[in-house]
Amino acid sequence: AQSVSQHNHHVILSEAASLELGCNYSYGGTVNLFWYVQYPGQHLQLLLKYFSGDPLVKGIKGFEAEFIKSKFSFNLRKPSVQWSDTAEYFCAVYNAGKSTFGDGTTLTVKP
Amino acid sequence: GAGVSQTPSNKVTEKGKYVELRCDPISGHTALYWYRQSLGQGPEFLIYFQGTGAADDSGLPNDRFFAVRPEGSVSTLKIQRTERGDSAVYLCASSSVGGSDTQYFGPGTRLTVL
Repeated sequence: AQSVSQHNHHVILSEAASLELGCNYSYGGTVNLFWYVQYPGQHLQLLLKYFSGDPLVKGIKGFEAEFIKSKFSFNLRKPSVQWSDTAEYFCAVYNAGKSTFGDGTTLTVKP
Repeated sequence: GAGVSQTPSNKVTEKGKYVELRCDPISGHTALYWYRQSLGQGPEFLIYFQGTGAADDSGLPNDRFFAVRPEGSVSTLKIQRTERGDSAVYLCASSSVGGSDTQYFGPGTRLTVL
């Protein structure tokens, strides 16, 4: 069975700080990896996804993630966060019709 | 265009009652997913439809849970004999063709079982 682990439950940063959120998955086969974001009062929405090819994936709003197969990791990064990045972030792995999500990381950016 | 919609947005019921939760996917999307999200956790997969058929229902927790999608569009998640542990936000998502295609999520239905 596949599983996803997000190590940081709550991260607090000041504006302009750099962000890295950890995500590790356990599944030995080919996976598709996603980061979703849920802004306060809004739906879950896709930030970025990795299927194959370049392991460095760029998404919306300046976010990027790097797939490291040897470490089963797909960490999310942003060089300089803004107050508007305050949200909950979920990592997910997809395989054969089923998506498995991590428990999420709440990011609070202080102005 | 219109996104995924779910009704009702909130549902409060008593233990033992029957509830139905509705999902209207994005028009033309063939794949539809149901998830359950408990407080402090990520969405948990329940069932995946491709067209009218349930391609994978392995996430349904027990036989009190059932979902249908009779015409390949709107889906209804049905919960019989509700229990307090069923309280959660039930999310629906749709995607154009299924597979690893991007899923678009609805706002969810918050179910509270008293």
